Amino acid sequence: GAVVSQHPSRVICKSGTSVKIECRSLDFQATTMFWYRQFPKQSLMLMATSNEGSKATYEQGVEKDKFLINHASLTLSTLTVTSAHPEDSSFYICSASHLEGGYGYTFGSGTRLTVV
Amino acid sequence: DAKTTQPPSMDCAEGRAANLPCNHSTISGNEYVYWYRQIHSQGPQYIIHGLKNNETNEMASLIITEDRKSSTLILPHATLRDTAVYYCIVRAYNQGGKLIFGQGTELSVKP
Repeated sequence: GAVVSQHPSRVICKSGTSVKIECRSLDFQATTMFWYRQFPKQSLMLMATSNEGSKATYEQGVEKDKFLINHASLTLSTLTVTSAHPEDSSFYICSASHLEGGYGYTFGSGTRLTVV
Repeated sequence: DAKTTQPPSMDCAEGRAANLPCNHSTISGNEYVYWYRQIHSQGPQYIIHGLKNNETNEMASLIITEDRKSSTLILPHATLRDTAVYYCIVRAYNQGGKLIFGQGTELSVKP
């Protein structure tokens, strides 16, 4: 159990366009989801915490107008990278919190975003 | 959450035990030790967690010192597929909240 599906796995977009990444909890309800960004050879950096039915909480230095997060249901959170630029190219990973079985957090498989 | 310190990299021969250390000297009484790993270009995968007793599951064993200031993750018979970055994280159990990753240990299992 506790599966998180992230889509798409890879996306290439042109500079100035927007890209939406979806994160779904398949077999449990996730009131809280998290979005991370990871650059090559670096650790995961938490971008924001997404709470169902309320505004996301962004980490310091993360532009909330650029990285729009929506958590409209207990099984779906989306991250939209608006007006993407090449420096937004990165690996984006979502995670969902669940309190059963001690696992705590399950991660999606990640989305490789390339902005050209 | 308490900060952890891990060696940046380690090598291990295939078939041998891989012992990955983690220091967490400022751990609080209600904080658990969690281990995750990330294989290249994938999302992190849960391995094991513990509070103070040693734990074992089908993937690994977790040895926590009596003073809880350090722990060791043991992969008993490492395979090439265990090559990954291993993250040790301490946090309170069952309280939700954000999970903060340190730099982890890059384990290379060699034939």
